Amino acid sequence: DAGVIQSPRHEVTEMGQEVTLRCKPISGHDYLFWYRQTMMRGLELLIYFNNNVPIDDSGMPEDRFSAKMPNASFSTLKIQPSEPRDSAVYFCASSLKQGDSNQPQHFGDGTRLSIL
Amino acid sequence: KQEVTQIPAALSVPEGENLVLNCSFTDSAIYNLQWFRQDPGKGLTSLLLIQSSQREQTSGRLNASLDKSSGRSTLYIAASQPGDSATYLCAVLLSSGSARQLTFGSGTQLTVLP
Repeated sequence: DAGVIQSPRHEVTEMGQEVTLRCKPISGHDYLFWYRQTMMRGLELLIYFNNNVPIDDSGMPEDRFSAKMPNASFSTLKIQPSEPRDSAVYFCASSLKQGDSNQPQHFGDGTRLSIL
Repeated sequence: KQEVTQIPAALSVPEGENLVLNCSFTDSAIYNLQWFRQDPGKGLTSLLLIQSSQREQTSGRLNASLDKSSGRSTLYIAASQPGDSATYLCAVLLSSGSARQLTFGSGTQLTVLP
């Protein structure tokens, strides 16, 4: 089975540019999560969706960040304009309905973003 | 606010040794606790998930325990191998309201020496 697929794997761009990260969750999963990982702050949840609807975006650092999920098989995380402090590894994860609380989250390999 | 702490931050052991990784959390109102493994340049792989009503879960050489009342979990690795070298993270899923977010610890970086 294909896992969570993220693209690109690496992105290097200059500050001020728009960055779009992409994620394809595991087919049939109801939840999709975007995380950011840095040495200083560890893994932080940015936003998550349930059935394509954003449920909690309180972790999105500022208005420069936006996320969409136009359908069940695709999500994007966009940063515009990008800044050097946005440099991090961004992970996407998906899981089945968690109503019975026993469904683990499955992670993609991440996008390593470097803003110069 | 839920805080998750992992001790030690790094651990180096010789091959074959049994070892324990520790995780503590401040809010005991959790749905479940997960242990993940992260290899360099890779995402997280779920190892074990313990529901709040359970005391432990086992998978192969791994055994995870949960003491919700004291806010603690341990991951026991038996007969460690060099291939076990990775960063191990624990994460708790809160049970309050509609939130379904995992709160992660900062991880324990394990090195198993051949």
